[in-house]
Amino acid sequence: GIQVEQSPPDLILQEGANSTLRCNFSDSVNNLQWFHQNPWGQLINLFYIPSGTKQNGRLSATTVATERYSLLYISSSQTTDSGVYFCAVGGYVSGGYQKVTFGTGTKLQVIP
Amino acid sequence: DAGITQSPRHKVTETGTPVTLRCHQTENHRYMYWYRQDPGHGLRLIHYSYGVKDTDKGEVSDGYSVSRSKTEDFLLTLESATSSQTSVYFCAISDNRAAYEQYFGPGTRLTVT
Repeated sequence: GIQVEQSPPDLILQEGANSTLRCNFSDSVNNLQWFHQNPWGQLINLFYIPSGTKQNGRLSATTVATERYSLLYISSSQTTDSGVYFCAVGGYVSGGYQKVTFGTGTKLQVIP
Repeated sequence: DAGITQSPRHKVTETGTPVTLRCHQTENHRYMYWYRQDPGHGLRLIHYSYGVKDTDKGEVSDGYSVSRSKTEDFLLTLESATSSQTSVYFCAISDNRAAYEQYFGPGTRLTVT
């Protein structure tokens, strides 16, 4: 199956700082999602981005499918950005139903 | 927010007892998934469903069974709970076969003593 690696595993930021989280994957994908798990455990879908760039407020994501990586940018970080960020990918399937594979996440702590 | 609920939200049970977790959705999505989350492993797929009475195994299916008799409900059963099944269990839904844009329930914290 597809291997997913995220870096860094842990990150501490001062409020207002910017950061970049990285997701590397081992094979071609047609499905890549970024999730945020808040400190209360809720998983929130941030982006569906198998290729290209998307932006949503202070967050943006870029996936370079040919080089098998995706980046999540957080600008002007706030304490509410704290939590764990997961990358999840799915590969091409002939018939059948696709499953996604999650990385082990980047734990972000934003301090005031 | 996607209409997904899980019950119970917390459960403590003894080794060897059967346990059933329920996922209920109001979005009428065809695809439903059960994951477990453990430290250092991210989320791992247990089972998934691609329609009523249509299910398949994920990567960590041993010791678990599922059933889906209605579009809105997906049940996960631990036939005989073990301590290694202590985990947080998440249900997810999607409206397409490629699992684009999965939406997750609030999770169930299960402790097996």
